[in-house]
Amino acid sequence: GAGVSQSPRYKVAKRGQDVALRCDPISGHVSLFWYQQALGQGPEFLTYFQNEAQLDKSGLPSDRFFAERPEGSVSTLKIQRTQQEDSAVYLCASRSPRNEQFFGPGTRLTVL
Amino acid sequence: RKEVEQDPGPFNVPEGATVAFNCTYSNSASQSFFWYRQDCRKEPKLLMSVYSSGNEDGRFTAQLNRASQYISLLIRDSKLSDSATYLCVVPKAPIISSNTGKLIFGQGTTLQVKP
Repeated sequence: GAGVSQSPRYKVAKRGQDVALRCDPISGHVSLFWYQQALGQGPEFLTYFQNEAQLDKSGLPSDRFFAERPEGSVSTLKIQRTQQEDSAVYLCASRSPRNEQFFGPGTRLTVL
Repeated sequence: RKEVEQDPGPFNVPEGATVAFNCTYSNSASQSFFWYRQDCRKEPKLLMSVYSSGNEDGRFTAQLNRASQYISLLIRDSKLSDSATYLCVVPKAPIISSNTGKLIFGQGTTLQVKP
């Protein structure tokens, strides 16, 4: 079946610009996660949704980062006033009933 | 101390070799563990789940040592296609429940299998 999809795959933004990253989880998966991965590092947790409820946003690095999942399926990660340190790969994952997380291909964000 | 630690490598081995990676974790209450594989510029993909003392899948064996708080991944008869970064992953909470799910990733260990 279809896996997790993300769009866009690549995004180049000028410093100060707002960006929105989209995630389509695996159909029927209740739990959705966002991670940030810097070059040469493992993914770092950003936030977690169960259906439309954001249960954990402890990993969001600043108040410029905002995530939503209004209908409990598609999720959007928004970054306002982007900075160069926001450059990274943003990964979305959805969790199966066996508690295994499956990742999308990621969005590679470059802030100039 | 980091919550999950791995030797970043790289491990350079010839085809057919057996190679093992270790991963240490700090939360003694952790009960489930995962190994993910990540190819260059690709997303992490689940390789193995470890819920008890270990797990085996073909050439891959994961072992858990709770007393010493480490997990190992053994790859036998290495193939060129095994070249990748292997990520050790531990859930933040000791028991995965409906209100948790945060995964803590190690830095990853890079394996390069040479012909």
